[in-house]
Amino acid sequence: SQQGEEDPQALSIQEGENATMNCSYKTSINNLQWYRQNSGRGLVHLILIRSNEREKHSGRLRVTLDTSKKSSSLLITASRAADTASYFCATEAGNMLTFGGGTRLMVKP
Amino acid sequence: DAGVIQSPRHEVTEMGQEVTLRCKPISGHNSLFWYRQTMMRGLELLIYFNNNVPIDDSGMPEDRFSAKMPNASFSTLKIQPSEPRDSAVYFCASSQSHRDGYTFGSGTRLTVV
Repeated sequence: SQQGEEDPQALSIQEGENATMNCSYKTSINNLQWYRQNSGRGLVHLILIRSNEREKHSGRLRVTLDTSKKSSSLLITASRAADTASYFCATEAGNMLTFGGGTRLMVKP
Repeated sequence: DAGVIQSPRHEVTEMGQEVTLRCKPISGHNSLFWYRQTMMRGLELLIYFNNNVPIDDSGMPEDRFSAKMPNASFSTLKIQPSEPRDSAVYFCASSQSHRDGYTFGSGTRLTVV
């Protein structure tokens, strides 16, 4: 079963714009992670935010976590065509990682 | 490190045949996970091992599926007999405790005809 649900399911933006993806989940978690998947490839870990953290940055990525609302957001700033991929949030509890359905991001050059 | 290595990359087999998927985790990682990805169901956790011991196999669809981890550097996922509905991309991932997320392999795309 999917723990996290991403919103939107698909997002199309122009290069240089910011992309925001949201994730909601249902149960208590140890941490929340974001992954990227290029078409036909495996998933690549982007960033992990622990349940006691509220915001984390990594390069052009900014992740927020609101445990009271059981939600997270991933912001990609100054997007590039190479950012085109599917992005998944995943929640970890009890050493098990459960993935949402993903957001398909298309960045047009 | 070469990352998580899965083989084969692609497998096409006839219904009823046995299929074995292989995975070599990253050295030093003590947890290994098998996931299945389909358009309809997304990414599903099938089974995970901690220190070579199966911890949770509740995601294994049915008795046709079995997984083993005979040592810290090798795991197999076997489907016997295979059915067309088993067609999917199967991913193996490994991790070291709760640090830094999971490292995924490139996956095995299985087609059962």
